[in-house]
Amino acid sequence: AQSVTQPDIHITVSEGASLELRCNYSYGATPYLFWYVQSPGQGLQLLLKYFSGDTLVQGIKGFEAEFKRSQSSFNLRKPSVHWSDAAEYFCAVVPPGGSNYKLTFGKGTLLTVNP
Amino acid sequence: GAVVSQHPSWVICKSGTSVKIECRSLDFQATTMFWYRQFPKQSLMLMATSNEGSKATYEQGVEKDKFLINHASLTLSTLTVTSAHPEDSSFYICSASPPGQGNTEAFFGQGTRLTVV
Repeated sequence: AQSVTQPDIHITVSEGASLELRCNYSYGATPYLFWYVQSPGQGLQLLLKYFSGDTLVQGIKGFEAEFKRSQSSFNLRKPSVHWSDAAEYFCAVVPPGGSNYKLTFGKGTLLTVNP
Repeated sequence: GAVVSQHPSWVICKSGTSVKIECRSLDFQATTMFWYRQFPKQSLMLMATSNEGSKATYEQGVEKDKFLINHASLTLSTLTVTSAHPEDSSFYICSASPPGQGNTEAFFGQGTRLTVV
């Protein structure tokens, strides 16, 4: 079945440590790929997106993501996490041929940052 | 970026009553808006596509008579939860995108927390 998967439900890191959140997709062709962040009780903020071109994408707040076609992955990374990064992170896709704005979300990864 | 605003941010209603949630695009016109639902500690699930001037398109399993969507203008879509029950308690989020920009992002409202008691 076509889907987007975030294998890690909850990740805890120490402030200053590096971070990688995983996202895998299962579609016949490469979908459009997004990472969103959601603070408690808030809407979603776009961190970065990938449509085509350079496979390393830079986003806001010091985040980056790398698209790897061979692994059907679009993992989110940050070299040094800040306490304010604690939030829920969602990987989302627009399936091939779909509307640019109609998103399918992964189940999310909750990030906890220890001082 | 574009701004999408939802109102109210939270609402508590009694079981059996109806509640309306508004989604507005503040600085652009949106012929299409999307409504998502998020259960606690779960992902966002698309409920329906709101189309300006025509009927909404509902995802499989979403009751169209329960979740009434009206997109009467290019800047406003409303979601009315009719005869609400406690199981309708959830976080509802809308999104919209400025037209004519090709591959672009969806902008989300801040969400509405609905609690049915």
